[in-house]
Amino acid sequence: DQQVKQNSPSLSVQEGRISILNCDYTNSMFDYFLWYKKYPAEGPTFLISISSIKDKNEDGRFTVFLNKSAKHLSLHIVPSQPGDSAVYFCAASPSVFSGSARQLTFGSGTQLTVLP
Amino acid sequence: KAGVTQTPRYLIKTRGQQVTLSCSPISGHRSVSWYQQTPGQGLQFLFEYFSETQRNKGNFPGRFSGRQFSNSRSEMNVSTLELGDSALYLCASRFTGTGDTEAFFGQGTRLTVV
Repeated sequence: DQQVKQNSPSLSVQEGRISILNCDYTNSMFDYFLWYKKYPAEGPTFLISISSIKDKNEDGRFTVFLNKSAKHLSLHIVPSQPGDSAVYFCAASPSVFSGSARQLTFGSGTQLTVLP
Repeated sequence: KAGVTQTPRYLIKTRGQQVTLSCSPISGHRSVSWYQQTPGQGLQFLFEYFSETQRNKGNFPGRFSGRQFSNSRSEMNVSTLELGDSALYLCASRFTGTGDTEAFFGQGTRLTVV
């Protein structure tokens, strides 16, 4: 049972345009969401996060949007650059009040290719 | 400040053998989690250790085990290897894993079982 789903295994975008990566979750206990970027032969690196008390968080070219009612989040990259080509994973964490250790649950990833 | 270090980077083993992977977390971090990455499956959570105790466990068979030492270094062991165990094994460290959620990953160990 995948609690965090990334339904698009791949996405190709032209350089300079917007990249939109999507992620859906099913567990209503999740209240903190993160995006990681992964290059081949490297470990994932943290990109941006959002708490459930917000619906948007921005950091430079990266913006994450959260729609709690739809249990959906998205990552926007504007403008996209060839160096952004990587696998992007979304991850979710339960509430600090859930009694768990806030274990991260990851989606299956989306391969983004930015074409020059 | 050194990042998360995993050794070895690459490993080839034969079916039925066992393997031990090592992870040194960021200095001061006490939580170490292990993940398995296979194509199309994303990062599957194996287990988490905090202060030498297993705090969380994913849905993997008992052939997968781990431990954490007093210096927070962690090892993961897989016994009776199967071909399907071929994967990238990633370790992630966090300061406590409770109030903070951002995890810092190592480069991973690529295990190939032949």
